[in-house]
Amino acid sequence: DTEVTQTPKHLVMGMTNKKSLKCEQHMGHRAMYWYKQKAKKPPELMFVYSYEKLSINESVPSRFSPECPNSSLLNLHLHALQPEDSALYLCASSQGQAGNNEQFFGPGTRLTVL
Amino acid sequence: AQKITQTQPGMFVQEKEAVTLDCTYDTSDQSYGLFWYKQPSSGEMIFLIYQGSYDEQNATEGRYSLNFQKARKSANLVISASQLGDSAMYFCAMREGLGGGSNYKLTFGKGTLLTVNP
Repeated sequence: DTEVTQTPKHLVMGMTNKKSLKCEQHMGHRAMYWYKQKAKKPPELMFVYSYEKLSINESVPSRFSPECPNSSLLNLHLHALQPEDSALYLCASSQGQAGNNEQFFGPGTRLTVL
Repeated sequence: AQKITQTQPGMFVQEKEAVTLDCTYDTSDQSYGLFWYKQPSSGEMIFLIYQGSYDEQNATEGRYSLNFQKARKSANLVISASQLGDSAMYFCAMREGLGGGSNYKLTFGKGTLLTVNP
């Protein structure tokens, strides 16, 4: 299994809703990532988990809350989002710190905040 | 200053021809890695090719090759025999350092939108 899966594919939510994005990989990778990508822009790193611990938080607002329940799963909990948070949210994973360590990306969740 | 510069917002190529997508980078690290990703309109980022700063040979993966010129700090992607399915956004990215937390961070360029014409 060489893929990263993300659910849901599309999500529409109001500013008062609470929702979660899910990401799963079964490649034995020990690093997992959340990126945010606005239209026609490159991905922006949000969070990195390494060995199930939060390693990097790129000063992301607290209305985004990551969670890594185990080495295969990564969640992003969303609460009280703003319309400008509408974007493609990409999950990625990589082996860890060694070697070329390419990141494998999931198909993304297209989020619309009304 | 931008760490990754892709100067071509858009490129057009005829099917079956070769195309070069430009990427220059800026780093003071001796150890770094360079990546190219393809992003079709569906949104998924697809890893294409990797070049390490200490690699003496240019990386190749099927129809993709990376023209690595270290002194010029350039890492251009060459796609041979273009196919209609190659139409997509292409991102060049760099990871600086080969250890510690910095090893996780990829810096992306702004991307080049490639259109392959039949």
